[in-house]
Amino acid sequence: SQQGEEDPQALSIQEGENATMNCSYKTSINNLQWYRQNSGRGLVHLILIRSNEREKHSGRLRVTLDTSKKSSSLLITASRAADTASYFCATNAGNNRKLIWGLGTSLAVNP
Amino acid sequence: GAGVSQTPSNKVTEKGKYVELRCDPISGHTALYWYRQSLGQGPEFLIYFQGTGAADDSGLPNDRFFAVRPEGSVSTLKIQRTERGDSAVYLCASSLYASDYNEQFFGPGTRLTVL
Repeated sequence: SQQGEEDPQALSIQEGENATMNCSYKTSINNLQWYRQNSGRGLVHLILIRSNEREKHSGRLRVTLDTSKKSSSLLITASRAADTASYFCATNAGNNRKLIWGLGTSLAVNP
Repeated sequence: GAGVSQTPSNKVTEKGKYVELRCDPISGHTALYWYRQSLGQGPEFLIYFQGTGAADDSGLPNDRFFAVRPEGSVSTLKIQRTERGDSAVYLCASSLYASDYNEQFFGPGTRLTVL
C-alpha cells in the first residue's frame, strides 16, 4: 500500500534553479524520510525529519514537515545535472519499522 | 566498507518456476528489510527481520513468498510457482537496528522477470 503521494510527478528545471517537491501522507507518523533513486546508485537516504520537527537542512537540501496538513516538502537549491533522479518520501508510524513509500517525483535537471 | 549486496542482479524465469533471491546486508546490521518495486512505483514493503526472526511479514502478498535469515546475516527471499505479476525489482535494505530513526541502506536490487 502507498502512504505518500508526491507532487509533481515529474519536474524539469535548468541547472542552478531550485527544485521543490511535495509529499502528502494519510496517517500519523513517527518520522518522514526522503530518498533519491537513480539508475547508477539505487536508493540513497537523503534526510530524515521527526514528527516533532518542522524544518531540517542538509547541504543544499531543505525539508519541511507540516503534521497538521500531513505534508512535507523537499527543496533542492542551486540544482545540478547530477541531481537528476527520482525522489521518494517514506514514512513509518506507530510500532511499525517498515517504511511506506510514495510514488515519487521524477526530477530532470538540464545543463 | 561494503554496502548491501544482492544476487543475482537479474533473474529471468518462466511462469511456475521457483526462484531464490539473496541479500548480504552491511556487516553488523541487525535489521534487514525486503521491498519490491514495480516500474513507475515506489517501493512496497514485504518483510523485515530483526536478527533471525521475521518481525513483520505483513507485506508478503501470499504464501508463495517466503524469506529466511537463519544466522541473522544473509537473507534469502523465496518465491514459489512464480507468476508474471511477480515481475519487479526486489530491493533489500539493512539498518543497524530496527528503529524509527535508523537510516536504511539499500542494495542495488534484483530485477526479476517472469515470462
